[in-house]
Amino acid sequence: EVHLVESGGGWVQPGGSLRLSCVASGFYFPNYWMSWVRQAPGKGLEWVANIKGDESEKYFVNSVKGRFSISRDNTRNSVDLHMDRLRAEDTAVYYCAKLTVVTGQFWYFDVWGRGILVTVSS
Amino acid sequence: DIQMTQSPSSVSAYVGDRVTITCRASQNIRTWLGWYQQKPGQAPQLLIFAASNLQTGVPSRFSGSGSGTDFTLTISSLQPEDSATYYCQKDGAFGGGTKVEIK
Repeated sequence: EVHLVESGGGWVQPGGSLRLSCVASGFYFPNYWMSWVRQAPGKGLEWVANIKGDESEKYFVNSVKGRFSISRDNTRNSVDLHMDRLRAEDTAVYYCAKLTVVTGQFWYFDVWGRGILVTVSS
Repeated sequence: DIQMTQSPSSVSAYVGDRVTITCRASQNIRTWLGWYQQKPGQAPQLLIFAASNLQTGVPSRFSGSGSGTDFTLTISSLQPEDSATYYCQKDGAFGGGTKVEIK
C-alpha cells in the first residue's frame, strides 16, 4: 500500500525558516514526480512545488519563488520542502503528494499524505 | 495562467439525490482535468482523472464528463459518506471548491 508521511511542521516567527519532510513507501520512489500542496485554514487547495524523480526539474508557485526550495533523497524515499523568509500567509496545512504526469499535458495528485500544520505568527 | 471556477460553492441535497458540480476552465484544457474529494479533517483524495476516468476504489456513483472548458462531476445517488468538499484541478490550478451537505 502506498503511504506518504509528513513531518517537521510547527510554529515559526515571521521571517523564520522551517523544513518539511515527507517519507514515501509502497511504490518505486525514484520514478515519480513529487509535490507539495497547501491549504490555509478554512480555505481551498494551493499547489506549492513539484520535483521530478531525478531532481532535474523543479517548479514553484509564484508566491514562494525565491523563498522555498525542494529537494529529494531517492535513497531514503524522501522529499523535503525548505521554507525561508516565512510570512503569516504561509500558514497552512502542507500536504505531500505523489504526482502522475502525462508529459506535456497534465499532472494530477494520485496519493496524498495526511498533512502537517505550519503556523507563522509572532 | 489557467483559472478554474467551480459552481455552486455549496449544495445541500437528500440521500439518494443526484448531485452535479460544474467546473469551468479559463481556456481549453481538452480532457485534462482531475476531481478530488476532501472530507473534514482529512487529506484530499483523487476521484477522477482525465475528466472521466474513475480512480481505483472510487464508487461507481461518481462520474465525470466534459471537455474543452466545461466539466461536471456527478454523484448519481448521494450517500451520507459523500458529505465533503469537492475540487477540480488542472495542473497547479484548483477550483475554489464545492461543499456538499446532506439535508
